Amino acid sequence: TQLLEQSPQFLSIQEGENLTVYCNSSSVFSSLQWYRQEPGEGPVLLVTVVTGGEVKKLKRLTFQFGDARKDSSLHITAAQPGDTGLYLCAGARANSGYALNFGKGTSLLVTP
Amino acid sequence: EPEVTQTPSHQVTQMGQEVILRCVPISNHLYFYWYRQILGQKVEFLVSFYNNEISEKSEIFDDQFSVERPDGSNFTLKIRSTKLEDSAMYFCASKVANSNQPQHFGDGTRLSIL
Repeated sequence: TQLLEQSPQFLSIQEGENLTVYCNSSSVFSSLQWYRQEPGEGPVLLVTVVTGGEVKKLKRLTFQFGDARKDSSLHITAAQPGDTGLYLCAGARANSGYALNFGKGTSLLVTP
Repeated sequence: EPEVTQTPSHQVTQMGQEVILRCVPISNHLYFYWYRQILGQKVEFLVSFYNNEISEKSEIFDDQFSVERPDGSNFTLKIRSTKLEDSAMYFCASKVANSNQPQHFGDGTRLSIL
């Protein structure tokens, strides 16, 4: 099992602030996905990163895959209350059939 | 937008009973997965399935578990003799190809073992 460590575990910020969530591992992944999960629902895909050093933007969210494909970050600019939720990173490896290995998640609370 | 659907949303079962969780993957997807999430813990991989065969399975997926694609649309997870520790959210996921294409998840079945 390749451990994916997410930090911070909990984050409470005010509307308008910026934040970064980190996802780190000692293992190399073929790809890494970021999901958002609401209570009682399944993970909803935000982005997939594949290439080392890749940066993808989704409105106010910026995702980066580390050069060595072992780590990733999610940066949110000017957070809004609607960004509140659980953010999960999940890595996949070709030699394990692309089964996803999830981190424990970062629980984000954005207050008005 | 196509989505993965799971039924039932909540299943309550007595310990020792068999339970079948059902999933309808996205129609053009060929690779299917089951994951579980025990309350307060991370999402864990159970099994992957392709071409009517198990592709990969985790150490969690022991002889009490089985998967099946009984027809062209359903993908099921069976637990033969449930234990208290099987209580969890069970998520089905599917994707179109065996590559870095993302997996799409259903909303899960909450399984409660009494």
